[in-house]
Amino acid sequence: DVKVTQSSRYLVKRTGEKVFLECVQDMDHENMFWYRQDPGLGLRLIYFSYDVKMKEKGDIPEGYSVSREKKERFSLILESASTNQTSMYLCASSGWPGRQGLAGSPGFFGPGTRLTVL
Amino acid sequence: DAKTTQPNSMESNEEEPVHLPCNHSTISGTDYIHWYRQLPSQGPEYVIHGLTSNVNNRMASLAIAEDRKSSTLILHRATLRDAAVYYCILSNTGNQFYFGTGTSLTVIP
Repeated sequence: DVKVTQSSRYLVKRTGEKVFLECVQDMDHENMFWYRQDPGLGLRLIYFSYDVKMKEKGDIPEGYSVSREKKERFSLILESASTNQTSMYLCASSGWPGRQGLAGSPGFFGPGTRLTVL
Repeated sequence: DAKTTQPNSMESNEEEPVHLPCNHSTISGTDYIHWYRQLPSQGPEYVIHGLTSNVNNRMASLAIAEDRKSSTLILHRATLRDAAVYYCILSNTGNQFYFGTGTSLTVIP
C-alpha cells in the first residue's frame, strides 16, 4: 500500500519557536508538496520539491522553509513560529516525473499535522 | 491561473447516484482535471482524474464537457462512507495544484 507519513498528528508550540514538520513517503516519488488547510480557504500550497535538493515556492511561502536531502523525506520548517501559522499541515507526494508534479498522476496525502502556536 | 467553481454543499439519498459539478472556464489545454475527497481529520484522498475523455474507475466516473470548461464527478450509488468534501482541481505544467473550498456532500440514509 502507498504510504505518506507525517511525524506528528498534533503539535503545540510557542511563538518564536523553530518548528520542524517531517514527511516521509515510501513510493519512490519524485515530487513532494506541503500544503496548509484553513477553514474557508481550502488547501494552499506552501512549497514543493520535484527532486532531491530542489524546491520551489508555492502560493504562501512566507515564514516557511523546506529541506529535501533525501528523496523520501521532505521537511517543512517554521523558522520562528507565529500564531497565524496555527493550521492543519498536509504533505503529499506524486510519482509523475519532472516538474509536472500532480498534473498527470494521482497524489497521495499524509494524514496531516494539526499545529497550534500559542 | 486556472481555478474551479463548485457548489458549497450538496445532498443525496443513500444508494442514489450523485452528480457533483465543477466549472473551470479558464482551463488551458494542458490542464488535467482531478477530483479528491476529504473526510474530517484526514488528508485528501485521490478519486479520479482526466484530460479530455470521460474516465471510469472503481470509485467514480468523470464526465468532461466537450469544451472542457466544466466536468462532473459521478458517484453511481452513494453510500454513507461517501459523505465528504469533494475538491475539483486543475493542474498545469507550472506545478501549481490549486485546491478551492470544495463541495460538502451529505448522504441521507
